[in-house]
Amino acid sequence: IAGITQAPTSQILAAGRRMTLRCTQDMRHNAMYWYRQDLGLGLRLIHYSNTAGTTGKGEVPDGYSVSRANTDDFPLTLASAVPSQTSVYFCASSASFGGGPHNEQFFGPGTRLTVL
Amino acid sequence: DAKTTQPNSMESNEEEPVHLPCNHSTISGTDYIHWYRQLPSQGPEYVIHGLTSNVNNRMASLAIAEDRKSSTLILHRATLRDAAVYYCILRIGNTPLVFGKGTRLSVIA
Repeated sequence: IAGITQAPTSQILAAGRRMTLRCTQDMRHNAMYWYRQDLGLGLRLIHYSNTAGTTGKGEVPDGYSVSRANTDDFPLTLASAVPSQTSVYFCASSASFGGGPHNEQFFGPGTRLTVL
Repeated sequence: DAKTTQPNSMESNEEEPVHLPCNHSTISGTDYIHWYRQLPSQGPEYVIHGLTSNVNNRMASLAIAEDRKSSTLILHRATLRDAAVYYCILRIGNTPLVFGKGTRLSVIA
């Protein structure tokens, strides 16, 4: 069982370039999420999707876009990368959206992105 | 937003119990208390959750105060593999997890 996979594992990117981080889950979860984690800080929510075809903004959405064409995939795109987007990016999924008592979130291994 | 307060760091000896505290004085009646942990260079993973009663699972125990304004995650016998950042999180209504800075647990052999 793969769970959640993310690609690439790491990437160095020149400022101004476009980049898409990939996330795929095989658990048929309805909800998916993107977080970023910066040194010394907790995870911050960028965007989320509560079901295929819908997306929403999290705490830090500026500079990022997402799409949810199907249940399994939730790519995160940086249209024009800036150095402040250097971070570790985690994708997550859960069976359904929100705070249900058994609605555990499963996280991928992360993508380490450096923007120079 | 209801928030949680945790110590920045704690230290434990291997094979000893660890009690990780969390204060959540503004918790509302329907908020669940969730704990996640993040091992080095990995994504967070679920540990345990509860509402009012104490909870046990294979990883840990969760002790919730009677007034629900605080809780304690208990690792019964810490191992080196338990060294991680532990996050105490309130699930509020229809919202995703909101992470604070958590408690960095160091385990000494």
